[in-house]
Formats: sequence, structure tokens, C-alpha cells
Amino acid sequence: DQQVKQNSPSLSVQEGRISILNCDYTNSMFDYFLWYKKYPAEGPTFLISISSIKDKNEDGRFTVFLNKSAKHLSLHIVPSQPGDSAVYFCAASSTSGTYKYIFGTGTRLKVLA
Amino acid sequence: ETGVTQTPRHLVMGMTNKKSLKCEQHLGHNAMYWYKQSAKKPLELMFVYSLEERVENNSVPSRFSPECPNSSHLFLHLHTLQPEDSALYLCASSLGTQNTEAFFGQGTRLTVV
Repeated sequence: DQQVKQNSPSLSVQEGRISILNCDYTNSMFDYFLWYKKYPAEGPTFLISISSIKDKNEDGRFTVFLNKSAKHLSLHIVPSQPGDSAVYFCAASSTSGTYKYIFGTGTRLKVLA
Repeated sequence: ETGVTQTPRHLVMGMTNKKSLKCEQHLGHNAMYWYKQSAKKPLELMFVYSLEERVENNSVPSRFSPECPNSSHLFLHLHTLQPEDSALYLCASSLGTQNTEAFFGQGTRLTVV
């Protein structure tokens, strides 16, 4: 049973517009959420995170929103740039358990110039 | 460069071979992880070490054997693998405290022939 889901395998966005990547989770024990970006043949790179005590965290062009009641988070990238084209993974962890991060299947973002 | 180094980057091995993957971090982290990424699947957590002690073993076949001799090094020993074990193997480390991100290495692309 997949505890972290990214239902959109791919997304195409025009350069300069907003990219919105979505993630849903099922385990209510998760209280820390992260977004990673991955290029082919490389390891994931940490982008931004959010604790469950917040509903928004912003870092430059990247903003993560958390809706705890819906068990949903999203990553907004604005404005989108061609260099943002990559696979984006959301991950979740629980501070009450052992240190581990559960990942979604990823969404491939393509930003068109 | 995330501070987590994996070697080798690529490995081709036969089903009767024995090989080892190496991971090294000098970030002062005290938790280390092995993940497996197969095509079109989420990153699968294999093992977690915290303070050199294995705290998670996610039903991984015994043909994969981890070793954590100290907090900076993590190995994954491989023997009698199957072709379906071909994947990208990713090492990560984290500070092992609440609400911190994991940093990933570049991964080892393993092909079992």
C-alpha cells in the first residue's frame, strides 16, 4: 500500500507560468514533508520542506502548501524556468518513528521555452 | 555536490558475483539509508542505520547485506543477485533529529546480467 502518492506522472508548463505539483498521503502520523528534484542518473536534491505545524513555506520561486485535513501537499514553482525540468518527488516522514522518508512515484515536469 | 559520495557510479555484475557498493558522508550526520529506485516505482527504502545500528530492514532479500562500520561509511554487499535487482541504488544521510532533510548521493546504477 503506497502511503505517499503523486497521481500525475507528468506535467508540461510554459516558461514563466506557474507549475503546480501535487502529492497525497494516507498516514496521519506523517508530520514532516519534503520535495526533491531529480535529474536523470543523479540522486535526488532537496528543494524545500514543511512541518505539519505550518500550512505554507516559501523559498524563492518555490512554495509548498500543506492541507492536513485533506492529507494533501503541493509544490508551486513560479515563474517556471526550463532548468526546472526534472522529476519531482514528494516525501514524508514521522518524527515519532524511526528516521525514514517515504517517497512518492514522482512527477516529471517539463518546462517549455 | 551534496556531501554524500557513492562508488562506483556504474556496476555490471553477473548473477554469481559478489560486489559491494560504498557510501561516504562527512556531514556529521548520524543516520544513513539505502534506497532502491527501479523504473516507474517510488524510491524504496531498504535499510536505515542510526548511530551505526540498523533500525530498519524493509523485508529486503538476504542477497543484500548492509554494513555500517562507522557513522561516515555505509556499504551494501551484493551476492547472487537476480536480473530484476538491476536498479539505481541510492545512499542518503540525515542528521537524525526531528524535521531535517536527507541528502542523497549520486547513486550507483547496477546492472545484473
